[in-house]
Amino acid sequence: DIQMTQSPATLSASLGDRVTITCRASQTINSWLAWYQQKPGKAPNLLIYKASTLETGVPSRFSGSGSGTEFTLTISSLQPDDFATYYCQQYNTDSPWTFGQGTKVEIK
Amino acid sequence: QVQLVESGGGVVQPGRSLRLSCEVSGSTFSSYGMHWVRQAPGKGLEWVALIWYDGSDKYYADSVKGRFTISRDNTKNTLYLQMNSLRAEDTAVYYCAAEELEGLNFWGQGTLVTVSS
Repeated sequence: DIQMTQSPATLSASLGDRVTITCRASQTINSWLAWYQQKPGKAPNLLIYKASTLETGVPSRFSGSGSGTEFTLTISSLQPDDFATYYCQQYNTDSPWTFGQGTKVEIK
Repeated sequence: QVQLVESGGGVVQPGRSLRLSCEVSGSTFSSYGMHWVRQAPGKGLEWVALIWYDGSDKYYADSVKGRFTISRDNTKNTLYLQMNSLRAEDTAVYYCAAEELEGLNFWGQGTLVTVSS
């Protein structure tokens, strides 16, 4: 199965900061990658799919990039609502889907 | 507005079985690939299983293969997860999620499964 490795595990940042989270796949997944945001006690929320396509209704300060095995999620200017845990997920065909282990974005 | 509502969670002894259900409303259930995702207390998300929109193909995580079975009834707009030979490490909140095009667009609120003697 394809393994997904996220870094960092925890990120401390201030309001207005530019934040970048990295996700690496153990083998190429082309652009079959999604990003989710999860807040405590809530279900995850889809932010980005196909590595860089913003889901409807997601603020434009979120962006995704990458292909193959290296991907990034960027928040251009951190807002109060953005403090949460973020997960990448690969959905390469003919393979079970897998999540990264998560990145918690905390207030600095 | 698509709504997903899970049910069937609870406390179960190791080795026993449990069946989860997920009822979908507000859209065309039969057009979605459907998934189960779980989250152990204080841990990250773990993808569990996928069933194609028409039930013709299924995929499982290695951790549940041979013990869990995903199924769906498109006439009842309902997704199922039959969980057999449950272990303590299966304790988690189980979410059902719908795949509209790519990624998991819609999620339920989750149902807690606790495996304990």
